[in-house]
Amino acid sequence: AQSVSQHNHHVILSEAASLELGCNYSYGGTVNLFWYVQYPGQHLQLLLKYFSGDPLVKGIKGFEAEFIKSKFSFNLRKPSVQWSDTAEYFCAVSGNTPLVFGKGTRLSVIA
Amino acid sequence: GAVVSQHPSRVICKSGTSVKIECRSLDFQATTMFWYRQFPKQSLMLMATSNEGSKATYEQGVEKDKFLINHASLTLSTLTVTSAHPEDSSFYICSPMDWEHIRETQYFGPGTRLLVL
Repeated sequence: AQSVSQHNHHVILSEAASLELGCNYSYGGTVNLFWYVQYPGQHLQLLLKYFSGDPLVKGIKGFEAEFIKSKFSFNLRKPSVQWSDTAEYFCAVSGNTPLVFGKGTRLSVIA
Repeated sequence: GAVVSQHPSRVICKSGTSVKIECRSLDFQATTMFWYRQFPKQSLMLMATSNEGSKATYEQGVEKDKFLINHASLTLSTLTVTSAHPEDSSFYICSPMDWEHIRETQYFGPGTRLLVL
């Protein structure tokens, strides 16, 4: 069975700081990897996804993620966060099955 | 991306009543609908998968007689929480999917927040 582990429960950063959120998955086959964001009071939005090809994926709002197959990881990064990035971030994996989500990481960006 | 709506967005009900949540895929034919539940400060957990015109398949620990799912058309699926209790208070999210495009992005409805008093 697939599983997703997000290491950080809550991350607090100052504006302009760099961000890296960890995500590790467990799955024996070919996986599709996703990062979703949920802003307060809003629904899930896709940040970026990886299916195949270049393991460095660029998404919206300046986010990127790198798929490292040997480490079963798909960490999310952003070089300089903004206050508006305050949200809950979910890593998810799919292997021709419904998405399985990690527990999420809450990011709080302070001015 | 695909447009998905859910109604109502928020509902408060008394314990013992039933609540119906509608999910519509407005520009998309959903041969499959996933229903998720999200408790506060927790991740989304898959509750059930339904294919249009067929009975839903429920995940372990989810009571099929309590959470009735109807997927009668390619654009509409409903989740009815029967005899709701306070422990059913949660955020319910639908996710329509076409299995031919399972490798593509899975879209989500805006969610329905249920509070059972």
